[in-house]
Amino acid sequence: GAVVSQHPSRVICKSGTSVKIECRSLDFQATTMFWYRQFPKKSLMLMATSNEGSKATYEQGVEKDKFLINHASLTLSTLTVTSAHPEDSSFYICSAPRQGAEKLFFGSGTQLSVL
Amino acid sequence: DAKTTQPPSMDCAEGRAANLPCNHSTISGNEYVYWYRQIHSQGPQYIIHGLKNNETNEMASLIITEDRKSSTLILPHATLRDTAVYYCIVRVVSGGYNKLIFGAGTRLAVHP
Repeated sequence: GAVVSQHPSRVICKSGTSVKIECRSLDFQATTMFWYRQFPKKSLMLMATSNEGSKATYEQGVEKDKFLINHASLTLSTLTVTSAHPEDSSFYICSAPRQGAEKLFFGSGTQLSVL
Repeated sequence: DAKTTQPPSMDCAEGRAANLPCNHSTISGNEYVYWYRQIHSQGPQYIIHGLKNNETNEMASLIITEDRKSSTLILPHATLRDTAVYYCIVRVVSGGYNKLIFGAGTRLAVHP
């Protein structure tokens, strides 16, 4: 079964509004989570590393004021796309490593469409 | 970060073995090779990983060359459900955790 849950799976919003995406680790604690975005027919691009109890680490070229990340607890990280515009439309995916396991578990992704 | 190179696409007949190659010539001695796959509009699914020995699990086999500069993922009996994009990734350790940087991947099409 899924060990990382992502919600919502799909969201449509108007331009200028903000959208929050949640990522939860279901049966383990994750002090670190990763956020990716993916455009159609393209690969996953790492956006940022979410750190519980401290600021997120953003990859080069990713606007931290645009993509707010909050690692609220050991099982929850949220990504908020602020003042969304059509160019923010994309597939967003989170992942979390479980300590002791050598692999990342991925959520099922969120398809964001900004009108 | 070590980079990987994969063919953009491959075809395979159902029931035959699918052999997906990957070059990672700049890999460091302690870096693992991971394979994930992604079916359309879903999150990536873990397949297998290895360091230098060949590995096998219920999904696939991973063959790593002795110099570790390339590897091959083998799906022994491909089915239509194996149609997906397959990513070969070299792990980067960041903050004590695995950080996966995805390349372009190989789009595998399994046909009847």
